[in-house]
Amino acid sequence: ELKVEQNPLFLSMQEGKNYTIYCNYSTTSDRLYWYRQDPGKSLESLFVLLSNGAVKQEGRLMASLDTKARLSTLHITAAVHDLSATYFCAVDRLNDMRFGAGTRLTVKP
Amino acid sequence: GAGVSQSPSNKVTEKGKDVELRCDPISGHTALYWYRQSLGQGLEFLIYFQGNSAPDKSGLPSDRFSAERTGGSVSTLTIQRTQQEDSAVYLCASSSIAGGADTQYFGPGTRLTVL
Repeated sequence: ELKVEQNPLFLSMQEGKNYTIYCNYSTTSDRLYWYRQDPGKSLESLFVLLSNGAVKQEGRLMASLDTKARLSTLHITAAVHDLSATYFCAVDRLNDMRFGAGTRLTVKP
Repeated sequence: GAGVSQSPSNKVTEKGKDVELRCDPISGHTALYWYRQSLGQGLEFLIYFQGNSAPDKSGLPSDRFSAERTGGSVSTLTIQRTQQEDSAVYLCASSSIAGGADTQYFGPGTRLTVL
């Protein structure tokens, strides 16, 4: 069964600091996704990672995928308050898609 | 252009009633997805449509759930004989490339409350 684990589940960090969110999954995957969700809002797609070694960057966020380790990371560089949100990873295998529990990120001044 | 729209935005219903949730994807998007989000279960994938192809229904939580997509555009998610555990926010997304390789654009969701 495909399982997805994210950690940490809660992350409080100061502005300007760097941190990484981890997403581990249990079986081989076709695609890995990262999403952002602001409180009371819908989901926003951040990244789609398709192959081993894939790296994508958008602003202060960078996502990478290691399919051999079954691990994806979302790295936050020099955090700013606007990045406060909940971040979800999701893994898609043969049209069976499972989400992580989410990481609630709070960036404090 | 317009984004993904969903209706209604909120739906309160009584246990045992049927409900229909509608999703209008971005024009020209071939792929359409349904998800739900609840406090108890988190985010769950429900079903995926690729163009006019028959969808894989294995993600639907029970046989009370069904979904269709007419003309490769608008989609309707129907829940029959609603139960309290069906209470959740139902999210729809569309993307321009089939197979999940492209950015998904999400609608605002329909909040379903089953009393």
